[in-house]
Amino acid sequence: DAGVIQSPRHEVTEMGQEVTLRCKPISGHDYLFWYRQTMMRGLELLIYFNNNVPIDDSGMPEDRFSAKMPNASFSTLKIQPSEPRDSAVYFCASTKGQGSVELFFGSGTQLSVL
Amino acid sequence: AQTVTQSQPEMSVQEAETVTLSCTYDTSESDYYLFWYKQPPSRQMILVIRQEAYKQQNATENRFSVNFQKAAKSFSLKISDSQLGDAAMYFCACPRVSNSNSGYALNFGKGTSLLVTP
Repeated sequence: DAGVIQSPRHEVTEMGQEVTLRCKPISGHDYLFWYRQTMMRGLELLIYFNNNVPIDDSGMPEDRFSAKMPNASFSTLKIQPSEPRDSAVYFCASTKGQGSVELFFGSGTQLSVL
Repeated sequence: AQTVTQSQPEMSVQEAETVTLSCTYDTSESDYYLFWYKQPPSRQMILVIRQEAYKQQNATENRFSVNFQKAAKSFSLKISDSQLGDAAMYFCACPRVSNSNSGYALNFGKGTSLLVTP
C-alpha cells in the first residue's frame, strides 16, 4: 500500500490567495482526518470524515477554511483567502477503525503564507 | 475536554542508555487506546507503540515499552538502548472521544524533543 498521499509537499503563497491541499487516504480506510501542526499549538484536529461525510468540523478555525471529501479516495482542504497566520504543516491521516484504530499519516504539506 | 500533557519539552539521553518520556491524559472513557508517535526531522508521523486500556499488561515493541497506569491516567514511554536514530519529537495521543459513532480522532500532547548524544 502506498500510504496516505498528500500534495503538495510545500506550498508558498501570498496573503489573500486561495490554497488547496490534497489528500488520498489508504484504500479501505473509512475515516479521514485533517490536522494542523504549529509550534505554538501543536497538533490540532481541524475536521474529520467518516465514509466521506464530515462528522466534526469544530476545529476549523474560521469560515476561510473548508474541507470536502467527494469520494472515498480524495479529500481537499481549502483556505480562501489565506493569511500569514495560516502558515503551518497540514497533515492528513486515515484509519480503518473497528479494531484498527491507529492513525496513518501522510507526509504533510508545509504551507507558508507571505 | 480530553487533554494530553507532556511535561518534558526536551530530553537528552546518551547512546545505549535508557530514557523515559512522560505523558498524562484525561478521559472519562473506560475502554480506549493510547499511542506514542515519533516525528523525525523528515516530519513523517510514525506510530511507535499503542496500548489498549483494558489490558493490564504494558505494551512492548522491541526497545520501546510503556508504563501504563490507568488509575493515574499516566502513559510513559521507555526507550532502552537508545540509538542515534531515536532522535525525534515524540507525541503522546489519546482518543478525542472513544465511542465508535464519533470515530477515532486523537488528541495529541505538545511533544517531547529527544536528543541522543554519542
